[in-house]
Amino acid sequence: DAKTTQPPSMDCAEGRAANLPCNHSTISGNEYVYWYRQIHSQGPQYIIHGLKNNETNEMASLIITEDRKSSTLILPHATLRDTAVYYCIVPTQGGSEKLVFGKGMKLTVNP
Amino acid sequence: SQTIHQWPATLVQPVGSPLSLECTVEGTSNPNLYWYRQAAGRGLQLLFYSVGIGQISSEVPQNLSASRPQDRQFILSSKKLLLSDSGFYLCAWSVNLRGYTFGSGTRLTVV
Repeated sequence: DAKTTQPPSMDCAEGRAANLPCNHSTISGNEYVYWYRQIHSQGPQYIIHGLKNNETNEMASLIITEDRKSSTLILPHATLRDTAVYYCIVPTQGGSEKLVFGKGMKLTVNP
Repeated sequence: SQTIHQWPATLVQPVGSPLSLECTVEGTSNPNLYWYRQAAGRGLQLLFYSVGIGQISSEVPQNLSASRPQDRQFILSSKKLLLSDSGFYLCAWSVNLRGYTFGSGTRLTVV
């Protein structure tokens, strides 16, 4: 899979926007960026994915730079329940249909 | 709607004993199925994935095996458990990369 790098951890105040960065400088033109999160002792949960354009759903927004070498996941109003490990993944297009999770980034939302 | 069932939720097994974890999916046909493991304090490791009945791909050499006897059934097994097999085991399914759904997991402790 195309390599992604994320900071190991980040803190955010409750109610504020959380901006989670991800670098994927080796991404190919037809590879998507996926974001998942894992709350402690649960299975990962799909958040959002995108190719070129910015995406928004009920959970988050995904901003992808024009050169597609990095992206930012935005949680507009972070809550304590958003505390989790967030994974940015770029699966290899045309390869087998599997997601390989890296170490992710631990987001801690503080009251 | 699609659901995924994984059981048991917790399991304590002695070293050298056999293991069988079962995962079933409802509400979809011909899903891709996956087994992941998360050791304490570590990331998610893909163990096996299957794109169809009887088709199993192993990602890492280990003391475990997987089988898919039916379209929506995925089984993780071991003939003799090792202490290092302890961890949090997660089953997942997807029709494509756009949305993995994970089960609730089995926490296995080998003693």
